[in-house]
Amino acid sequence: AQSVTQPDIHITVSEGASLELRCNYSYGATPYLFWYVQSPGQGLQLLLKYFSGDTLVQGIKGFEAEFKRSQSSFNLRKPSVHWSDAAEYFCAVVGTGTASKLTFGTGTRLQVTL
Amino acid sequence: DTAVSQTPKYLVTQMGNDKSIKCEQNLGHDTMYWYKQDSKKFLKIMFSYNNKELIINETVPNRFSPKSPDKAHLNLHINSLELGDSAVYFCASSHVDRVSYFGPGTRLLVL
Repeated sequence: AQSVTQPDIHITVSEGASLELRCNYSYGATPYLFWYVQSPGQGLQLLLKYFSGDTLVQGIKGFEAEFKRSQSSFNLRKPSVHWSDAAEYFCAVVGTGTASKLTFGTGTRLQVTL
Repeated sequence: DTAVSQTPKYLVTQMGNDKSIKCEQNLGHDTMYWYKQDSKKFLKIMFSYNNKELIINETVPNRFSPKSPDKAHLNLHINSLELGDSAVYFCASSHVDRVSYFGPGTRLLVL
């Protein structure tokens, strides 16, 4: 069964500092991978996705993520964090079949200090 | 132009009541979903419909009954509400590219 692990429950960074959120997945084949962001009291917004091809993918709001098959990882990065980036971040994986479920990690809460 | 919309946004009710949450998407997607997010922010799929046909039914109590009258709508009816049903319920939709778009959520509080 597919699964996603986000080892960091809570991360605090200073505004302007770089950010890396970790994500490891377990899946039998090459999965589709996603990062979503959830601001307080809001729904989930897609930041970026990886299906195939270039392993470094660019997303919205200056985020990028790198797929590393050998490490089963899909870490999210941003070179300079803004206070408005404070939110909950979810990594997710889904297979290619119609009946494949989108499986989420437990989320990482990002706090940004000024 | 909201892509995936849900009503109501907030729902406060007593134990034992029956309630419904409605979801509509205007993206032309074939597949729609219901997710439950618990108090620890954990997201878990409950149901998935593809072209009005149920394709995923997780181990959800049968008090929860989804209904899809057409491809653009997926409603969730909950009978005999329990305290443990308190959560945020998200509707989502996707197309063949497997990218899911989420609604704003319905915050259900059972007293």
